[in-house]
This record gives sequence, C-alpha cells and structure tokens, in this order.
Amino acid sequence: ETGVTQTPRHLVMGMTNKKSLKCEQHLGHNAMYWYKQSAKKPLELMFVYSLEERVENNSVPSRFSPECPNSSHLFLHLHTLQPEDSALYLCASSRSLAGGREQYFGPGTRLTVT
Amino acid sequence: AQTVTQSQPEMSVQEAETVTLSCTYDTSESDYYLFWYKQPPSRQMILVIRQEAYKQQNATENRFSVNFQKAAKSFSLKISDSQLGDAAMYFCAFSLTGANSKLTFGKGITLSVRP
Repeated sequence: ETGVTQTPRHLVMGMTNKKSLKCEQHLGHNAMYWYKQSAKKPLELMFVYSLEERVENNSVPSRFSPECPNSSHLFLHLHTLQPEDSALYLCASSRSLAGGREQYFGPGTRLTVT
Repeated sequence: AQTVTQSQPEMSVQEAETVTLSCTYDTSESDYYLFWYKQPPSRQMILVIRQEAYKQQNATENRFSVNFQKAAKSFSLKISDSQLGDAAMYFCAFSLTGANSKLTFGKGITLSVRP
C-alpha cells in the first residue's frame, strides 16, 4: 500500500450503532488529520494529531472520538450518530504541522447514518 | 479568522481551451500560503499548486498557473489546454505560516470538460 489508505470506503450505520473508521499513512509523516466533507460546504477540519498527540479539536461533538495509537494510524470512533453526520470523512497526513506543508489525502469513507 | 471564498459552484470548459477558477480570501496576516487542491470523482484529493505569499512571482506547474493578487486577496487558477482528466472538484485553501497551521478550504468548484 502506498500513500494514505482508509477503510471502510462505505459505511451505513444506524443511529444507535458503534463503528470505527481507520486511516493508515505509509509516508512516514508526523501529522494526521480528520476532515468532514459535506455537499456544498467547505471541508471541515475535525481533529489534528502531531506525533500521536491531539493538537486540535474543532468543537466536534463527543459522538466522534479520535484515536492515534502511533504516527501511522488514525481512527475515528463513531457512536450514536445523527443523520446530519452523513458525509465523506477524509483522512490526511503531512510531514509536519508547519505551515505550507502539502497534505496527502486518503480516498475517504462515505458514511450514511440511517 | 481566515476565510476562503469560491463563489462559482460550477464551470465548464471545452477540451483544449483555457479556463480560470476564481478564489478570494480574507486575512489580516501578511505571510501565508495558498493552495489549489483537485478532487477527481471518487478519487483522492491531490495538491495542484502552491503559492507562498511573500513571493511575487506566480507559481506554475505545467498547464496549471495562478494569478496571485495579494492586495486584492485574489488567487485564481488557470488551466491551459484543458484535458478530460482535468474534470474534478477544485478547492482553494489557505494556511498561515508557523508551527501549527491548519488548512482553511473554500466550498470548491466543480469543473467539467466537454470533449
């Protein structure tokens, strides 16, 4: 595998389910990000990790719980989601948090909450 | 806070023609970075081009070039000799310099290329 991978690619879950999204980067980067992409809206930054430490949490509801066990893996644990949480969830990584660094994106997980 | 505005939701271009995608931003900072990212249908988002605000020269990458107007806070992307593979969503993005700088994205513009 190369670049940034995400699994699953598609997920349908009920409002009472618990599921997890997985992201893995094979680039040796130190920073990882979760974004939410909804139609006709800008990408929303959800969480930022640097060297496995969370450095930003953009007022994301607690039903989204991130986990970064090492610099290559990032998870997003989901529970009791709402229909408005349906979106494309993108993971990205960059060499560091320094401004101007290119972010490398995964293909995303298309989440549908029923 | 920084904002990025892409006011055109969709554009269309004839293959081999040139198209310009518009972006404006707002910031009180003098040093920052601007980006254009491309998201093809069902494919990963990739960086197209990056501009450093302190550089007066417009960035170019093969058929892609920018028109960076710092005073006007405008950052447009020009695609020359458009190809079918250029069809995608294009996002304009902004980041500050410094050790902890996130990307602020616009809403994106969908570009279609007519054969």
